[in-house]
Amino acid sequence: LAKTTQPISMDSYEGQEVNITCSHNNIATNDYITWYQQFPSQGPRFIIQGYKTKVTNEVASLFIPADRKSSTLSLPRVSLSDTAVYYCLVGFRSHGSSNTGKLIFGQGTTLQVKP
Amino acid sequence: NAGVTQTPKFQVLKTGQSMTLQCAQDMNHEYMSWYRQDPGMGLRLIHYSVGAGITDQGEVPNGYNVSRSTTEDFPLRLLSAAPSQTSVYFCASSWGVRQSTDTQYFGPGTRLTVL
Repeated sequence: LAKTTQPISMDSYEGQEVNITCSHNNIATNDYITWYQQFPSQGPRFIIQGYKTKVTNEVASLFIPADRKSSTLSLPRVSLSDTAVYYCLVGFRSHGSSNTGKLIFGQGTTLQVKP
Repeated sequence: NAGVTQTPKFQVLKTGQSMTLQCAQDMNHEYMSWYRQDPGMGLRLIHYSVGAGITDQGEVPNGYNVSRSTTEDFPLRLLSAAPSQTSVYFCASSWGVRQSTDTQYFGPGTRLTVL
């Protein structure tokens, strides 16, 4: 299983761009990189997913270098409502033809956006 | 679609009591899982299921049982509640885990307190 490492916390101010980096040295060939966002008292929700290079959607961008050992979630012009915990997930284990696997969340990065 | 639903939203138990946390999804997802989240910590996987009749242990399975008799339902049973099981419990589902591309959909959570 690919293990991820990300900063425990980050602070930012409204209007700034925030970049959260996740390290995943043991990423496997078939693994994708997925980021989730969790607001207080809610379950996590999907933000963005990618395999290599750059992916962009209406919420964020995801930058993945060629070696795929890390990835960076970029939130443009954050607002107070972006204050949340952000989780980086990479892959899981599958066993041959059986559809098994564990999806492991780490501690996440707590982003605090200040006015 | 209601998505992933969890009941109850809140529960208080005494040490030694047993109870079942309910989780249901109406998206015909193969994969379902249970996580617990303690204050200031990330999500930890308790048990998961890759389809009806198939379950497996996650990171912290002790003290919990699960079963998957139907695709829709994945109840989590606390056999003899302990104060260490005070936590917020999240249920999640996805189409499958053949690829790490499957988006996890989370329920609203159950806040459990064991006295």
